[in-house]
Amino acid sequence: AQSVSQHNHHVILSEAASLELGCNYSYGGTVNLFWYVQYPGQHLQLLLKYFSGDPLVKGIKGFEAEFIKSKFSFNLRKPSVQWSDTAEYFCAVRSGGYNKLIFGAGTRLAVHP
Amino acid sequence: DAGVIQSPRHEVTEMGQEVTLRCKPISGHDYLFWYRQTMMRGLELLIYFNNNVPIDDSGMPEDRFSAKMPNASFSTLKIQPSEPRDSAVYFCASTLQGAAGNTIYFGEGSWLTVV
Repeated sequence: AQSVSQHNHHVILSEAASLELGCNYSYGGTVNLFWYVQYPGQHLQLLLKYFSGDPLVKGIKGFEAEFIKSKFSFNLRKPSVQWSDTAEYFCAVRSGGYNKLIFGAGTRLAVHP
Repeated sequence: DAGVIQSPRHEVTEMGQEVTLRCKPISGHDYLFWYRQTMMRGLELLIYFNNNVPIDDSGMPEDRFSAKMPNASFSTLKIQPSEPRDSAVYFCASTLQGAAGNTIYFGEGSWLTVV
């Protein structure tokens, strides 16, 4: 069965620190990969997505992610976080030609001023 | 443009009562999804529809849960009877089948508390 693993459940950073959140998936075929963000009390919003082409994907708010097929990974990065980045981040995979998304457990990021 | 619209936003109900959650997908979208989010289990896909037809309901936890999509602009998720362990945020989402990578858009969620 398909699955998505996010390695860090909680991350605490100071403002201006660099961020990297890990995501690995377990499907060997063609995949579409997504990172969603959920700010406190809000719904999920798309940060970025990968479906083909350049494996380094740039999203909104200075986020980027790199698809490494050999490692089944799609890690999220941001060089300098802000307090407003405090949120929960979800990695998701869509595979096999189906439209359903399988989500990871999420990573809660807290950024301190 | 209006996004995915869910109602109610918040509901508190007593154990044993019937709960109906509603969703209006983005106009023109042909896929609709129901997800449940809890602290313990994260985001789980419950069921999804394509052109109003249920495609995969393997995530529906038990017979107390049912979902319908009578037309392209409306879906319901019903829990009868409700139990405290059903307390969660229920998200509806929709997308349009097209080129690879089409985005799934989420509603703001229905926050359900069963006491």
